Amino acid sequence: KQEVTQIPAALSVPEGENLVLNCSFTDSAIYNLQWFRQDPGKGLTSLLLIQSSQREQTSGRLNASLDKSSGRSTLYIAASQPGDSATYLCAVRNTGGFKTIFGAGTRLFVKA
Amino acid sequence: DTEVTQTPKHLVMGMTNKKSLKCEQHMGHRAMYWYKQKAKKPPELMFVYSYEKLSINESVPSRFSPECPNSSLLNLHLHALQPEDSALYLCASGSGQGRKDTQYFGPGTRLTVL
Repeated sequence: KQEVTQIPAALSVPEGENLVLNCSFTDSAIYNLQWFRQDPGKGLTSLLLIQSSQREQTSGRLNASLDKSSGRSTLYIAASQPGDSATYLCAVRNTGGFKTIFGAGTRLFVKA
Repeated sequence: DTEVTQTPKHLVMGMTNKKSLKCEQHMGHRAMYWYKQKAKKPPELMFVYSYEKLSINESVPSRFSPECPNSSLLNLHLHALQPEDSALYLCASGSGQGRKDTQYFGPGTRLTVL
């Protein structure tokens, strides 16, 4: 059974700092891994999708990596801003179907 | 346009009511999802429709009844709910194309069951 873990559960950093969020999963038979952002009481915004055959994806100040063999992904945020404050969720899509498992998320607070 | 719309935004219902949640996308996506999210918890998958056919039912109680009338619409019919069913209900859609399938989420419906 796929389990997805995110560390840390919460993170507070000063503005301008670079930071790394971690996601680990127990079953390496995945189609892809997707990183989302969620603001309080809102829906999820897709940030990056990494296919199982890829090692990393980049979008602006965000860079996500995937090491399928070790069951790990990281989301790197460069030059953090107060507007980056949100909960960041990783989600793993298992092979052979549509089943998607989410991690519990990392709550990020960027101080001005 | 990567927009998924959901109506209503908020819903309050009694345990004997019947109501429906609606979700719509016009991205030509052939996979549509319902998730349930309790406060400070991650979303949990409830149902998946692929090409308008139910593909996944994650052992959801029968008081939740999904319906996919066409490729753009997804409904969730609610009947005889319990207070513990109060949550944010999220709809998502995706192309359904395996590894490249990015899921796009709507803003959710905040449901309160009295």
